[in-house]
Amino acid sequence: EAGVAQSPRYKIIEKRQSVAFWCNPISGHATLYWYQQILGQGPKLLIQFQNNGVVDDSQLPKDRFSAERLKGVDSTLKIQPAKLEDSAVYLCASSSRPGQENSPLHFGNGTRLTVT
Amino acid sequence: QQQVKQSPQSLIVQKGGISIINCAYENTAFDYFPWYQQFPGKGPALLIAIRPDVSEKKEGRFTISFNKSAKQFSLHIMDSQPGDSATYFCAASMQETSGSRLTFGEGTQLTVNP
Repeated sequence: EAGVAQSPRYKIIEKRQSVAFWCNPISGHATLYWYQQILGQGPKLLIQFQNNGVVDDSQLPKDRFSAERLKGVDSTLKIQPAKLEDSAVYLCASSSRPGQENSPLHFGNGTRLTVT
Repeated sequence: QQQVKQSPQSLIVQKGGISIINCAYENTAFDYFPWYQQFPGKGPALLIAIRPDVSEKKEGRFTISFNKSAKQFSLHIMDSQPGDSATYFCAASMQETSGSRLTFGEGTQLTVNP
């Protein structure tokens, strides 16, 4: 099966600019996650979707971050305006049956964002 | 209570040796403990996972040991190979209530010298 697709792979912007990331999950996966991975740290969940509804966005900085998953398939994550501390790799992951041991998270290769 | 603490931060092992990475958690509601492997420029990939109803799980050269009373679990890589050089993350989740939402440790950078 095709993996989780993310674009772009790299993005460099100046602080206060806006940026958007795109994710296409594995076909048929109802659950989609966005994680932020700062260099040298483990991934941290930003938001979780079930189909096109938000399950958990408690750790999303809503004053600057937004995400949507139209039609329950592709998703976009936006940052506006960006801050220096937003420099990180943004990982998208999907899962077919959350709560099932044999249904792990599949991660994309991420978008590396550098804010200067 | 949601934290997962991982050690060591980095580990250097000779080819053929045993690599051991440890994790500790606080939330007793966690019921799923996976280990992920991440190569540079790639996303994390599931390596092996365990439920708290067993004390050990082995898949090839990789073994998870789980100590429920101590709230600790560890990854053992037997006969370590240079190709195992990567960053390893332990994680934990409450499968039923959180839909596989994972809390990750800080990661261990493993280097296996030839």
